[in-house]
Amino acid sequence: QSVLIQPPSASGTPGQRVTISCAGSNSNIGKNYVYWYQQLPGTAPKLLIYKTNQRPSGVPDRFSGSKSGTSASLAISGLRSEDEADFYCAAWDDSLSGWLFGGGTQVTVL
Amino acid sequence: QIQVVQSGAEVKKPGASVKVSCKTSGYSFTDYGLSWVRQAPGQGLEWMGWISPYKGNTNYAQKLQGRVTLTTETSTTTAYMELRNLRSDDTGVYYCVRESDCGGGCYWFQHWGQGTLVTVSS
Repeated sequence: QSVLIQPPSASGTPGQRVTISCAGSNSNIGKNYVYWYQQLPGTAPKLLIYKTNQRPSGVPDRFSGSKSGTSASLAISGLRSEDEADFYCAAWDDSLSGWLFGGGTQVTVL
Repeated sequence: QIQVVQSGAEVKKPGASVKVSCKTSGYSFTDYGLSWVRQAPGQGLEWMGWISPYKGNTNYAQKLQGRVTLTTETSTTTAYMELRNLRSDDTGVYYCVRESDCGGGCYWFQHWGQGTLVTVSS
């Protein structure tokens, strides 16, 4: 069971806004940066958000990240069919001295 | 162009060991850390550990301590992950990932290998 808790699924129609939550604790999200990765079927994950709310070059501004206390969120606005994928949050955990991933959220575009 | 290329699929029996290789190119091998991340079928991502090719320092996930060993070979810019005493729940895809430093204590998993499927079955 992942220490970072994500909902297993989320969905929306094209153009809608979808938000994915990631719940952690003081030893991970509460103190450290949050990262979000997108994994398309059959491929390796790809970074979407780093330093909690920064986008690497090439990632559309439809994707945004935020954090409040020990929880983080990824928002996808203007949902598109190509956004169908699994999304994972990640953070360093000071107590474990290691990286944690959330269990993943499968996003479906209806 | 940075490349991370892993060895091919493996099938092992319970109790055996597996060693996966990760050949890197296109950058200075000793300048960046390497992590290993695995994914069981239909499941999420799990960080296994990290190694610094510069000094050979390692940091292993507590869950795998004692069963996993990460090594590097600077002359061939290759990293290795060995997992011992395999169990059926070790079945999954194993990824080698080169980290990048985004400044101010920020590190992210930037360059992923293609993944290596390890199947543990009797």
